[in-house]
Amino acid sequence: SAVISQKPSRDICQRGTSLTIQCQVDSQVTMMFWYRQQPGQSLTLIATANQGSEATYESGFVIDKFPISRPNLTFSTLTVSNMSPEDSSIYLCSVVGRGRAFFGQGTRLTVV
Amino acid sequence: KQEVTQIPAALSVPEGENLVLNCSFTDSAIYNLQWFRQDPGKGLTSLLLIQSSQREQTSGRLNASLDKSSGRSTLYIAASQPGDSATYLCAVWSTDKLIFGTGTRLQVFP
Repeated sequence: SAVISQKPSRDICQRGTSLTIQCQVDSQVTMMFWYRQQPGQSLTLIATANQGSEATYESGFVIDKFPISRPNLTFSTLTVSNMSPEDSSIYLCSVVGRGRAFFGQGTRLTVV
Repeated sequence: KQEVTQIPAALSVPEGENLVLNCSFTDSAIYNLQWFRQDPGKGLTSLLLIQSSQREQTSGRLNASLDKSSGRSTLYIAASQPGDSATYLCAVWSTDKLIFGTGTRLQVFP
């Protein structure tokens, strides 16, 4: 199994600012995934991050709003830019090992 | 487009009952199906993984079945306990993406 560490675990941010979330994995993985979970909702995939290439974004998510970095095979960051209250959600990173998905503990973001 | 639905959306039962949570998906071309548990405000814990060629998987009091042809999976929880209270999510691997269901919020009271 993979152990995933996410930082910060929670934050309260002012609207118009940006927050960068870090995701560290204890083993090398090809693909990392970023999800958003809005209050009371299920998980929605934001983008898939591959090392050495640009992230692939899902419909409804754009790079200017959610820039992603993937500098190596164990680390990725997701930035939530120019935040508004509608961005208040839990953001989770995920990796796959032997066909099984593993998740970090998530970052609970509140935008005021 | 793959869509995953879970029924019921919420369930409240007394301790000791056997439970069945349902998951349905619209596209049967899946690689596997995974059941997760999520405690309030927390990340996801993987419970069971069923490969597309398998029919069921068991772990302790949990048993998950998969019927690809009908697009259905069930999670059976035996002898439920208050500690089982959480949201249960199913997710299917479809075209290199994990698509999540809507979730079932379970409360088991003493």
